[in-house]
Amino acid sequence: EVQLVESGGGLVQPGRSLRLSCAASGFKFKDYVMHWVRQVPGKGLEWVSGISWNSGYIGYADSVKGRFTISRDNAKNSLYLHMNSLRVEDTAFYYCSKDLCSGGTCHYFDSWGQGTLVTVSS
Amino acid sequence: QSALTQPASVSGSPGQSITISCTGTSSDIGGHNFVSWYQQHPGKAPKLIIYDVSSRSSGVSNRFSGSKSGNTASLTISGLQAEDEALFHCSSYTSTSTRWVFGGGTELTVL
Repeated sequence: EVQLVESGGGLVQPGRSLRLSCAASGFKFKDYVMHWVRQVPGKGLEWVSGISWNSGYIGYADSVKGRFTISRDNAKNSLYLHMNSLRVEDTAFYYCSKDLCSGGTCHYFDSWGQGTLVTVSS
Repeated sequence: QSALTQPASVSGSPGQSITISCTGTSSDIGGHNFVSWYQQHPGKAPKLIIYDVSSRSSGVSNRFSGSKSGNTASLTISGLQAEDEALFHCSSYTSTSTRWVFGGGTELTVL
């Protein structure tokens, strides 16, 4: 069974940094594109960032480009999101998500973790 | 402001059919067939139910169907059941730098 468990969320002041982690199990992590998707509680979803199996492709939403950095450690079956210069508008649940297809992206978010809440407030 | 436009809410009675629309542009829905739909129950993570515009994920009821015309995708749920009550999100690949976009979500209420 696919399991994705996010951690690292919390309350942080504007301008500060935070690192999210996602522990994956139940599938061959190294074979899949992985994504971070966020959601303001009760609102719509927003794709934040994605990374290919070998980190050869890395992409970011325009809203976080230059401030967030995605990375992965295939040996540890883990995905990370380093968030710098946090803003109030970054407040959201952050979900780790696995792509539907192995080897490359087929543009769908197949499995999701339960999310970790990031609150940016002074 | 979400990239794709969905109605904020729809409702229907048990047994009825409803359709949720999702409108984008020629850069996303109109230019690709990488359209998907996600169902999210309160307090839960989203679940992929439709991909490639109209393909159902494994285990998803055939009461759920997807379609696309021009820049608008649609999700139809037939034979509404109480358990269908949830927040529904549409998504599309986009040829812009952002790569993947979502709608603002549609709250389905089963009366």
